[in-house]
Amino acid sequence: ETGVTQTPRHLVMGMTNKKSLKCEQHLGHNAMYWYKQSAKKPLELMFVYSLEERVENNSVPSRFSPECPNSSHLFLHLHTLQPEDSALYLCASSQGRTGDSYGYTFGSGTRLTVV
Amino acid sequence: EDQVTQSPEALRLQEGESSSLNCSYTVSGLRGLFWYRQDPGKGPEFLFTLYSAGEEKEKERLKATLTKKESFLHITAPKPEDSATYLCAVLAHTGGFKTIFGAGTRLFVKA
Repeated sequence: ETGVTQTPRHLVMGMTNKKSLKCEQHLGHNAMYWYKQSAKKPLELMFVYSLEERVENNSVPSRFSPECPNSSHLFLHLHTLQPEDSALYLCASSQGRTGDSYGYTFGSGTRLTVV
Repeated sequence: EDQVTQSPEALRLQEGESSSLNCSYTVSGLRGLFWYRQDPGKGPEFLFTLYSAGEEKEKERLKATLTKKESFLHITAPKPEDSATYLCAVLAHTGGFKTIFGAGTRLFVKA
């Protein structure tokens, strides 16, 4: 399988649940990202892993916890979420922290609904 | 504050009716400007990178141009399959690299 693969595609969870989103890339890229996409809003960067070093957006609540065990896999662990966390969560990868000449390669996203 | 603004928010065209989408930016240390296409239920797909004012890139019916303050995505004789959301993103270097996305333009092309 090529490109960036995200699972699950859809997730409905209660506010007290714990779940994880998974992302895999088979492109040999060395940087991976989590973005949040809400309707009519710009993509919001949540976390960056570059050469296995984590860079995070300080405004991301602690109920979101990333994990990057190696350069091909990225997880986003979710716990005690709020309804306003409902959104499309996109994983992306790139060759180099700046995205090089080819931008980011995005997965298809996980549509998260918090009830 | 670094900012990227896309206009219009939505654009409805008839098939064959050419038009342009705008991406204006105010950032320090521009390192590149990216255009992406996003279809419903999918992630954004990379289209172009532009690095300096005056640069142009083309792909099929799409042509992207860059000035010091904005970028245009020209769509010539669009077809219904060009319907999508087009995202603009700017790579800036202000004490570290960061990519700032615009909110996108939703394009609808009617046959």
